[in-house]
Amino acid sequence: SQTIHQWPATLVQPVGSPLSLECTVEGTSNPNLYWYRQAAGRGLQLLFYSVGIGQISSEVPQNLSASRPQDRQFILSSKKLLLSDSGFYLCACLGHRNTEAFFGQGTRLTVV
Amino acid sequence: AQKITQTQPGMFVQEKEAVTLDCTYDTSDQSYGLFWYKQPSSGEMIFLIYQGSYDEQNATEGRYSLNFQKARKSANLVISASQLGDSAMYFCAMTWGSWGKLQFGAGTQVVVTP
Repeated sequence: SQTIHQWPATLVQPVGSPLSLECTVEGTSNPNLYWYRQAAGRGLQLLFYSVGIGQISSEVPQNLSASRPQDRQFILSSKKLLLSDSGFYLCACLGHRNTEAFFGQGTRLTVV
Repeated sequence: AQKITQTQPGMFVQEKEAVTLDCTYDTSDQSYGLFWYKQPSSGEMIFLIYQGSYDEQNATEGRYSLNFQKARKSANLVISASQLGDSAMYFCAMTWGSWGKLQFGAGTQVVVTP
């Protein structure tokens, strides 16, 4: 089965600083990849998804961007963080049979 | 546009009782997949069960079963014999069409009491 590595687990960043969260996948090739953000006690907001290298679909216009430089690497970035960017960020991958989505452990981002 | 709706923000259930979590969806696609996930307070996303739109039988995985009513566009999760460890947030999700987007509902917080 697929394994997703997502780091760091926690991050505290000042307002206006850049952000780079990385997610890598093992155990599959050409997966669909996803970035979600979750506010405390709330649902998962889909930010970006990618069905292939260099193919990024953005769901919410915002201060963030995503890139997929390699088949199994998905990066979430920001040039200047806002307080509203705080949250729990999850990377996910749809399994090769599309019957299960695998998740990373998440990054808890606090912008101060 | 496709949409996933979970109308129960939270519920209490007594240990050993069964609980049904509601999920309705809206899509014009004939091909889609439905998922349920559990998220404990640790934040980990735990896969529970999957149902494909062409699957004729309801999916079951241990104490979890999915009550799939295609005409009503509902995919309710039934947890039998609730345990204290079932206390968590539960999410319904859907992917459809070309299976690109994976969209989640707002979630239902379940608290199991002794």
